[in-house]
Amino acid sequence: DAMVIQNPRYQVTQFGKPVTLSCSQTLNHNVMYWYQQKSSQAPKLLFHYYDKDFNNEADTPDNFQSRRPNTSFCFLDIRSPGLGDAAMYLCATSSNRPPSAVHGRERANIQYFGAGTRLSVL
Amino acid sequence: LAKTTQPISMDSYEGQEVNITCSHNNIATNDYITWYQQFPSQGPRFIIQGYKTKVTNEVASLFIPADRKSSTLSLPRVSLSDTAVYYCLAGSGGYQKVTFGTGTKLQVIP
Repeated sequence: DAMVIQNPRYQVTQFGKPVTLSCSQTLNHNVMYWYQQKSSQAPKLLFHYYDKDFNNEADTPDNFQSRRPNTSFCFLDIRSPGLGDAAMYLCATSSNRPPSAVHGRERANIQYFGAGTRLSVL
Repeated sequence: LAKTTQPISMDSYEGQEVNITCSHNNIATNDYITWYQQFPSQGPRFIIQGYKTKVTNEVASLFIPADRKSSTLSLPRVSLSDTAVYYCLAGSGGYQKVTFGTGTKLQVIP
């Protein structure tokens, strides 16, 4: 029943060796997000797609790239992983349907997260 | 984006009610308050969302005073499986970016 699926759950790569993490969703949501979460820290947004429009956070390193070939899939590419890139990477989706004018009748944007991919860099 | 402030950690015994308060002084008129739960090595999971007054679901209750500058997540009769980090977020509906605050690490003690 998983709605946001991340593969693999665990990924080991070598210093400087490109790696790709994948995310797929069955919710047909138009917004997809990538977060980085380091140990004992809150998730940090790297970038997101609103439909096909890519939106990069200002402090996201150029080393991180993303692709979204269709609604269901989104990829995170780390071009040259460093030791500091070891973290949990979380994919999330949401719908941009706004809440109704009568507050509380509809849920505002809720993000649905995958289980994450834990990346180790050797 | 409204900034949220929560206690870093809380301990509670099994069977007790736990209340986690979140401060969001600069919340905007269109912002909703949303709480997520995160277990170790898993992604955050939506718990509850509200705009004002009180919202209750099968998992928790959310209390929001009239000024909406704070909110309180209430977990009734916690069990060991409620040990997790709880995040409070404030943001508008529709398409939005959110900023996760530090979260509250809840430890339930037998």
